[in-house]
Amino acid sequence: IAGITQAPTSQILAAGRRMTLRCTQDMRHNAMYWYRQDLGLGLRLIHYSNTAGTTGKGEVPDGYSVSRANTDDFPLTLASAVPSQTSVYFCASSDSGGSGTDTQYFGPGTRLTVL
Amino acid sequence: GQNIDQPTEMTATEGAIVQINCTYQTSGFNGLFWYQQHAGEAPTFLSYNVLDGLEEKGRFSSFLSRSKGYSYLLLKELQMKDSASYLCAVRDGNYQLIWGAGTKLIIKP
Repeated sequence: IAGITQAPTSQILAAGRRMTLRCTQDMRHNAMYWYRQDLGLGLRLIHYSNTAGTTGKGEVPDGYSVSRANTDDFPLTLASAVPSQTSVYFCASSDSGGSGTDTQYFGPGTRLTVL
Repeated sequence: GQNIDQPTEMTATEGAIVQINCTYQTSGFNGLFWYQQHAGEAPTFLSYNVLDGLEEKGRFSSFLSRSKGYSYLLLKELQMKDSASYLCAVRDGNYQLIWGAGTKLIIKP
Protein backbone atom coordinates (compact mmCIF):
# COMPACT_ATOMS: atom_id res chain seq x y z
CA ILE A 1 0.00 0.00 0.00
CA ALA A 2 1.04 3.58 -0.51
CA GLY A 3 -0.24 6.55 1.46
CA ILE A 4 -3.27 6.33 3.71
CA THR A 5 -6.02 3.74 3.59
CA GLN A 6 -9.36 3.83 5.37
CA ALA A 7 -11.94 1.13 5.94
CA PRO A 8 -14.77 0.71 5.39
CA THR A 9 -15.45 2.89 2.35
CA SER A 10 -19.02 3.34 3.47
CA GLN A 11 -21.27 2.01 6.20
CA ILE A 12 -24.89 2.22 7.27
CA LEU A 13 -25.24 1.80 11.01
CA ALA A 14 -28.16 1.55 13.40
CA ALA A 15 -28.24 4.11 16.17
CA GLY A 16 -26.77 2.81 19.40
CA ARG A 17 -24.33 0.46 17.70
CA ARG A 18 -20.59 0.60 18.22
CA MET A 19 -18.39 1.23 15.18
CA THR A 20 -14.66 1.48 14.55
CA LEU A 21 -13.32 3.27 11.52
CA ARG A 22 -9.86 2.09 10.55
CA CYS A 23 -6.97 4.18 9.26
CA THR A 24 -3.50 2.99 8.27
CA GLN A 25 -0.60 4.95 6.80
CA ASP A 26 2.69 3.64 5.44
CA MET A 27 4.56 6.95 5.20
CA ARG A 28 5.97 6.68 8.74
CA HIS A 29 4.38 10.03 9.58
CA ASN A 30 4.47 11.03 13.23
CA ALA A 31 1.13 12.80 13.36
CA MET A 32 -2.35 11.53 12.46
CA TYR A 33 -5.75 13.19 12.50
CA TRP A 34 -9.44 12.40 12.22
CA TYR A 35 -11.81 14.91 10.65
CA ARG A 36 -15.48 14.93 9.81
CA GLN A 37 -16.82 16.82 6.82
CA ASP A 38 -20.43 17.94 6.64
CA LEU A 39 -22.14 19.85 3.85
CA GLY A 40 -21.62 23.59 4.17
CA LEU A 41 -19.08 23.25 6.96
CA GLY A 42 -15.31 23.10 6.89
CA LEU A 43 -13.39 20.04 7.95
CA ARG A 44 -13.67 19.71 11.72
CA LEU A 45 -10.99 18.02 13.77
CA ILE A 46 -12.25 15.22 16.02
CA HIS A 47 -9.04 13.85 17.55
CA TYR A 48 -5.37 13.91 16.71
CA SER A 49 -2.13 12.20 17.66
CA ASN A 50 1.25 13.92 17.41
CA THR A 51 3.16 10.68 17.93
CA ALA A 52 2.53 7.03 18.76
CA GLY A 53 1.25 6.65 22.30
CA THR A 54 -0.29 10.13 22.57
CA THR A 55 -3.66 11.51 21.55
CA GLY A 56 -5.48 14.83 21.88
CA LYS A 57 -8.97 16.23 21.50
CA GLY A 58 -9.93 18.40 18.58
CA GLU A 59 -12.87 20.69 18.00
CA VAL A 60 -15.64 18.04 18.11
CA PRO A 61 -14.46 15.05 20.21
CA ASP A 62 -17.69 14.12 22.01
CA GLY A 63 -18.95 10.64 21.19
CA TYR A 64 -15.63 9.57 19.65
CA SER A 65 -12.48 7.93 20.98
CA VAL A 66 -9.12 7.09 19.43
CA SER A 67 -5.99 5.13 20.19
CA ARG A 68 -2.46 5.21 18.76
CA ALA A 69 -0.72 1.99 19.71
CA ASN A 70 1.82 2.26 16.85
CA THR A 71 2.95 4.70 14.16
CA ASP A 72 0.85 3.27 11.34
CA ASP A 73 -2.65 2.83 12.77
CA PHE A 74 -5.12 5.33 14.18
CA PRO A 75 -8.62 3.85 14.65
CA LEU A 76 -11.63 6.01 15.48
CA THR A 77 -14.40 4.46 17.58
CA LEU A 78 -18.00 5.58 17.97
CA ALA A 79 -19.09 3.94 21.23
CA SER A 80 -22.84 4.39 20.65
CA ALA A 81 -23.65 5.95 17.29
CA VAL A 82 -26.24 8.71 16.95
CA PRO A 83 -27.78 10.15 13.76
CA SER A 84 -25.83 13.42 14.15
CA GLN A 85 -22.68 11.41 13.53
CA THR A 86 -23.77 10.83 9.95
CA SER A 87 -20.91 12.36 7.99
CA VAL A 88 -17.88 11.71 5.82
CA TYR A 89 -14.84 10.90 7.94
CA PHE A 90 -11.32 11.61 6.74
CA CYS A 91 -8.12 10.38 8.28
CA ALA A 92 -4.97 12.39 7.59
CA SER A 93 -1.29 12.24 8.48
CA SER A 94 1.67 14.60 8.52
CA ASP A 95 5.37 14.22 9.09
CA SER A 96 6.22 16.45 12.01
CA GLY A 97 3.04 17.11 13.96
CA GLY A 98 3.00 20.90 13.73
CA SER A 99 6.35 22.42 12.84
CA GLY A 100 7.61 23.36 9.38
CA THR A 101 5.37 22.97 6.38
CA ASP A 102 3.83 19.87 7.94
CA THR A 103 1.45 19.23 5.07
CA GLN A 104 -1.44 16.93 5.89
CA TYR A 105 -2.21 14.08 3.49
CA PHE A 106 -5.67 12.57 3.47
CA GLY A 107 -7.13 9.11 3.13
CA PRO A 108 -10.05 8.43 0.77
CA GLY A 109 -12.69 8.83 3.47
CA THR A 110 -15.45 6.75 5.05
CA ARG A 111 -19.05 7.71 4.39
CA LEU A 112 -21.05 6.84 7.52
CA THR A 113 -24.82 6.93 7.80
CA VAL A 114 -26.44 6.43 11.21
CA LEU A 115 -30.15 5.62 11.13
CA GLY B 1 -13.42 33.16 17.74
CA GLN B 2 -11.48 31.89 14.78
CA ASN B 3 -12.93 32.27 11.33
CA ILE B 4 -12.09 31.47 7.72
CA ASP B 5 -14.26 33.01 4.99
CA GLN B 6 -14.44 31.93 1.37
CA PRO B 7 -17.14 32.36 -1.28
CA THR B 8 -19.48 29.38 -1.36
CA GLU B 9 -19.52 28.97 -5.12
CA MET B 10 -17.94 30.49 -8.23
CA THR B 11 -18.44 29.90 -11.94
CA ALA B 12 -15.82 30.42 -14.64
CA THR B 13 -15.26 29.57 -18.29
CA GLU B 14 -12.82 27.02 -19.65
CA GLY B 15 -9.56 28.72 -20.64
CA ALA B 16 -10.17 31.74 -18.42
CA ILE B 17 -8.59 32.87 -15.12
CA VAL B 18 -10.32 32.75 -11.73
CA GLN B 19 -9.31 34.10 -8.34
CA ILE B 20 -10.66 32.49 -5.17
CA ASN B 21 -10.35 34.66 -2.07
CA CYS B 22 -9.90 33.64 1.53
CA THR B 23 -9.95 35.92 4.56
CA TYR B 24 -9.08 34.73 8.02
CA GLN B 25 -9.15 35.74 11.66
CA THR B 26 -7.18 33.38 13.84
CA SER B 27 -5.36 33.36 17.15
CA GLY B 28 -1.85 33.39 15.76
CA PHE B 29 -0.65 32.42 12.31
CA ASN B 30 1.72 29.68 11.23
CA GLY B 31 0.95 29.26 7.57
CA LEU B 32 -1.93 29.03 5.10
CA PHE B 33 -2.79 26.06 2.93
CA TRP B 34 -4.91 25.56 -0.17
CA TYR B 35 -6.35 22.15 -0.95
CA GLN B 36 -8.35 20.87 -3.91
CA GLN B 37 -11.21 18.44 -3.37
CA HIS B 38 -13.08 16.77 -6.21
CA ALA B 39 -16.59 15.58 -5.42
CA GLY B 40 -16.55 12.35 -3.46
CA GLU B 41 -12.79 12.38 -3.05
CA ALA B 42 -10.22 13.37 -0.44
CA PRO B 43 -8.65 16.84 -0.24
CA THR B 44 -5.27 17.06 -1.95
CA PHE B 45 -2.57 19.61 -1.17
CA LEU B 46 -2.07 22.49 -3.61
CA SER B 47 0.00 25.20 -1.94
CA TYR B 48 1.44 26.60 1.27
CA ASN B 49 2.21 30.23 2.14
CA VAL B 50 3.84 31.43 5.33
CA LEU B 51 5.47 34.66 4.10
CA ASP B 52 3.79 37.54 2.28
CA GLY B 53 3.80 37.37 -1.47
CA LEU B 54 3.01 35.14 -4.40
CA GLU B 55 3.89 31.46 -4.77
CA GLU B 56 3.58 30.15 -8.30
CA LYS B 57 3.22 26.50 -9.19
CA GLY B 58 2.35 25.88 -12.81
CA ARG B 59 -1.18 27.06 -13.61
CA PHE B 60 -1.88 27.69 -9.90
CA SER B 61 -0.59 30.59 -7.80
CA SER B 62 -1.30 31.50 -4.20
CA PHE B 63 -0.90 34.91 -2.57
CA LEU B 64 -0.71 35.86 1.08
CA SER B 65 -0.98 39.16 2.97
CA ARG B 66 -0.58 38.51 6.69
CA SER B 67 -1.29 42.13 7.66
CA LYS B 68 -4.66 41.96 5.88
CA GLY B 69 -5.50 38.38 6.88
CA TYR B 70 -6.03 37.63 3.21
CA SER B 71 -5.06 35.05 0.64
CA TYR B 72 -6.14 34.15 -2.84
CA LEU B 73 -5.71 31.17 -5.13
CA LEU B 74 -5.32 32.05 -8.81
CA LEU B 75 -6.08 29.43 -11.42
CA LYS B 76 -5.04 30.16 -15.00
CA GLU B 77 -5.98 28.48 -18.29
CA LEU B 78 -8.91 26.76 -16.63
CA GLN B 79 -9.64 23.19 -17.62
CA MET B 80 -12.80 21.19 -17.04
CA LYS B 81 -10.88 18.99 -14.58
CA ASP B 82 -10.43 22.06 -12.35
CA SER B 83 -14.10 21.79 -11.39
CA ALA B 84 -13.77 21.02 -7.69
CA SER B 85 -13.99 22.58 -4.25
CA TYR B 86 -11.03 24.62 -3.06
CA LEU B 87 -10.37 24.64 0.66
CA CYS B 88 -8.46 27.34 2.51
CA ALA B 89 -6.92 26.37 5.87
CA VAL B 90 -4.88 28.38 8.37
CA ARG B 91 -2.54 26.96 10.97
CA ASP B 92 -3.15 28.94 14.13
CA GLY B 93 -0.87 29.81 17.05
CA ASN B 94 -1.43 26.36 18.56
CA TYR B 95 -0.44 24.70 15.27
CA GLN B 96 -4.00 23.50 14.71
CA LEU B 97 -5.45 23.73 11.19
CA ILE B 98 -8.61 25.83 10.94
CA TRP B 99 -10.57 25.08 7.76
CA GLY B 100 -12.84 27.20 5.64
CA ALA B 101 -16.03 25.64 4.28
CA GLY B 102 -14.58 25.60 0.77
CA THR B 103 -15.41 27.25 -2.55
CA LYS B 104 -17.12 25.12 -5.17
CA LEU B 105 -15.73 26.08 -8.58
CA ILE B 106 -17.86 25.28 -11.61
CA ILE B 107 -16.16 25.39 -15.00
CA LYS B 108 -18.34 25.90 -18.06
CA PRO B 109 -17.24 25.13 -21.61
